[in-house]
Amino acid sequence: QITLKESGPTLVKPTQTLTLTCTFSGFSLSTSGVGVGWLRQPPGKALEWLGLIYWNDNKRYNPSLRNRLTLTKDTSKNQVVLSLANVDPVDTATYYCADRQTSIFGVVISFGSWGQGALVTVSS
Amino acid sequence: QSVLTQPPSASGTPGQTVTISCSGSSSDIGSNTVNWYQQLPGTAPKLLMYYNNQRPSGVPDRFSGSKSGTSASLAISGLQSEDEADYYCAAWDDTLNGHWVFGEGTKLTVL
Repeated sequence: QITLKESGPTLVKPTQTLTLTCTFSGFSLSTSGVGVGWLRQPPGKALEWLGLIYWNDNKRYNPSLRNRLTLTKDTSKNQVVLSLANVDPVDTATYYCADRQTSIFGVVISFGSWGQGALVTVSS
Repeated sequence: QSVLTQPPSASGTPGQTVTISCSGSSSDIGSNTVNWYQQLPGTAPKLLMYYNNQRPSGVPDRFSGSKSGTSASLAISGLQSEDEADYYCAAWDDTLNGHWVFGEGTKLTVL
């Protein structure tokens, strides 16, 4: 059974760096084809994809956030960390992590399992 | 920020069939497969469809997906009250080093 859970601060001041941790179980980020993605959803608005880190440490970022967003992984701890620099009130959102799996037949299932989400408010 | 275009709302009565559209471009839907996610009120999104028309285990066959060119659609037949939710389409975009793009979401109301 795959589970993911986001953790981190609920309130961050403008210009600070937001750091969130995704702790997962049921899979390993050292397995070929596996990845962990981050997405967010401002209150009452649509989902937005933020980034994805792969088993081989390749990363892909939302072009609009590329200069502020960093994803890192700790395979031994089954964790992925999101760092978003220079936050602004528009970064207020529920942040989700979700998995990416590849079956033995090469079928890629992106964001098949999600964490419960973590609401982060950016305010002074 | 959303790149894929969905109608903001859709509705139907129990038992009806409802279809939600998703329009993209040659670099996203036109080149890659489409996923659909269902988000019930107050909960995290759930994968509903992948590879255009593949249902994960546990998703009822009332849900079906299709893709043609740069557009995709999700059909829900035998509409039930529990289907009332927000639905999002998503696809990989090959430009700018590759990134996922999502639709604006469609709020489905069961009348």
